[in-house]
Amino acid sequence: DTGVSQDPRHKITKRGQNVTFRCDPISEHNRLYWYRQTLGQGPEFLTYFQNEAQLEKSRLLSDRFSAERPKGSFSTLEIQRTEQGDSAMYLCASSWGAGAEKLFFGSGTQLSVL
Amino acid sequence: SQELEQSPQSLIVQEGKNLTINCTSSKTLYGLYWYKQKYGEGLIFLMMLQKGGEEKSHEKITAKLDEKKQQSSLHITASQPSHAGIYLCGADTGANSKLTFGKGITLSVRP
Repeated sequence: DTGVSQDPRHKITKRGQNVTFRCDPISEHNRLYWYRQTLGQGPEFLTYFQNEAQLEKSRLLSDRFSAERPKGSFSTLEIQRTEQGDSAMYLCASSWGAGAEKLFFGSGTQLSVL
Repeated sequence: SQELEQSPQSLIVQEGKNLTINCTSSKTLYGLYWYKQKYGEGLIFLMMLQKGGEEKSHEKITAKLDEKKQQSSLHITASQPSHAGIYLCGADTGANSKLTFGKGITLSVRP
């Protein structure tokens, strides 16, 4: 087990294009979180899954954003019609059970929208 | 909503020096987490503090929680270049183990 894996590590896209990121959590972790971090800021919560159920979404997650975790294992985060303001690091974290101290973060996907 | 203010914004110290960074919350802290982040990387969990007056240490890093002041401090003794990075504090919002983070403090250690 190599920890939380995110793919790709970097993504450069043109404004208006769609992008999809993948997160593979630590196996058997039932909770999965997505955060977004812009330069000079701390991570901001986007959404949270328990198994395959998406239990909470932040107001930051506009209609252009969609996240899935179809089989309760890996998750995808899709951004449609990207805007320059979407440029950020997208971090995935997973845990088994409750307690933020149990969270393991991935290395993130750095998105640049030109 | 809860806000966390970290100070100073950035810090440059000479190797071997001690340093302290702070995290102040706008609301009562029920759980305070310290993370370290290398530029462009994910977050590495350092310590969790839950009770007022609690103090924890890991190697040369000590963190304290002052519940009355709604503040936590993180102290590094005899800093080394390996301590360089971004230090983030996060507060447990109590719902779904979701964290609210401060902006982070960038620490540079000059050899």
